Amino acid sequence: QQQVKQSPQSLIVQKGGIPIINCAYENTAFDYFPWYQQFPGKGPALLIAIRPDVSEKKEGRFTISFNKSAKQFSLHIMDSQPGDSATYFCAASKGSNYKLTFGKGTLLTVNP
Amino acid sequence: NAGVTQTPKFQVLKTGQSMTLQCAQDMNHNSMYWYRQDPGMGLRLIYYSASEGTTDKGEVPNGYNVSRLNKREFSLRLESAAPSQTSVYFCASSEIPGGQPQHFGDGTRLSIL
Repeated sequence: QQQVKQSPQSLIVQKGGIPIINCAYENTAFDYFPWYQQFPGKGPALLIAIRPDVSEKKEGRFTISFNKSAKQFSLHIMDSQPGDSATYFCAASKGSNYKLTFGKGTLLTVNP
Repeated sequence: NAGVTQTPKFQVLKTGQSMTLQCAQDMNHNSMYWYRQDPGMGLRLIYYSASEGTTDKGEVPNGYNVSRLNKREFSLRLESAAPSQTSVYFCASSEIPGGQPQHFGDGTRLSIL
């Protein structure tokens, strides 16, 4: 049973666009939601994370929005650049412990 | 800065062969992890180690053994490789005790024929 559903599987935007990646979770005990960025041939890297006590968190051009009642959270990339082209994974855990449940990933392509 | 280093980068095995994947980190982290990544499956935790000498099973531990002999190194062993273990394996570390992984290696791409 997949506990974190991520969509879309792939996404193509033009430079300057605002790609949005969505994740939905089922386990109401989840209270920590990180996003990872993975470039081809490399390991994932922790990008940004949010807890349910806030509805939005920004770090540079990356923003997470969180909707606790809908059990959904999203990643927005402002003014996207070709260098943002990568696979993005959302994840969730209870109490920010090591037992993360990952989404299946979204392949983002930003065209010049 | 090396960060998390995995060896080898690529390996091809025959069914039934054994091998050990090596991982070392130079950030003085206590927490280390082994994940596997399969197409369309995201990342799945194989084993976690909170400190030297301690390990916990993750989501998919069957067919694997791990060893954390010191703080720097965390190895993953396949005793009798099976085609279902064909995958990309990632080691990771974290400064957060019991927390989420922060730094990943670049992976070992393992094919089992």
